[in-house]
Amino acid sequence: ETAVFQTPNYHVTQVGNEVSFNCKQTLGHDTMYWYKQDSKKLLKIMFSYNNKQLIVNETVPRRFSPQSSDKAHLNLRIKSVEPEDSAVYLCASSYGDNYAEQFFGPGTRLTVL
Amino acid sequence: GEQVEQRPPHLSVREGDSAFITCTYTDPNSYYFFWYKQEPGASLQLLMKVFSSTEINEGQGFTVLLNKKDKRLSLNLTAAHPGDSAAYFCAVRDSNYQLIWGSGTKLIIKP
Repeated sequence: ETAVFQTPNYHVTQVGNEVSFNCKQTLGHDTMYWYKQDSKKLLKIMFSYNNKQLIVNETVPRRFSPQSSDKAHLNLRIKSVEPEDSAVYLCASSYGDNYAEQFFGPGTRLTVL
Repeated sequence: GEQVEQRPPHLSVREGDSAFITCTYTDPNSYYFFWYKQEPGASLQLLMKVFSSTEINEGQGFTVLLNKKDKRLSLNLTAAHPGDSAAYFCAVRDSNYQLIWGSGTKLIIKP
């Protein structure tokens, strides 16, 4: 099956803990993204990454960092979670970043207590 | 930079009626447009992608209109059915190759 896969589906943690979310795509794409979707469904791009370049949205707090082992994987690490980090984190991929549509994973819902 | 405004944020229509969602954008050089659908608890699925050279695109049960003069992108769901209940997002690829997202429309289809 070719798609974008994310784990875990849900994660509940406490303030100050470190969390890591996984994303893998089997579509053969070369660009991957992380989005944050808040409770009002607003989508905010956090990172985009291909084998050449990491683009960081400058509004993203430094406790967030992407981690990539190869072009099929882009994980998201949050060093010390805050209550405002509670959201759904969506991973996406595309072939190139200029013209192509993005394909999305099912998301990881993070709840910070 | 490009700004995209999506309206309305919430929309409720009766089954069988039409639902109309609009996005306006600011960059006249934007050239690639997308509509995504997000069903409750699910991720985003591409409904349609539109080139700037095409003004009317028809899908299964919906029509996408692009008015370049007014910088307006519209999604018209015809004869809505319960399966159309979802959040809909537009996205615009601007001249800086950035994908700018609308704020979403939550559509509810009433029986």
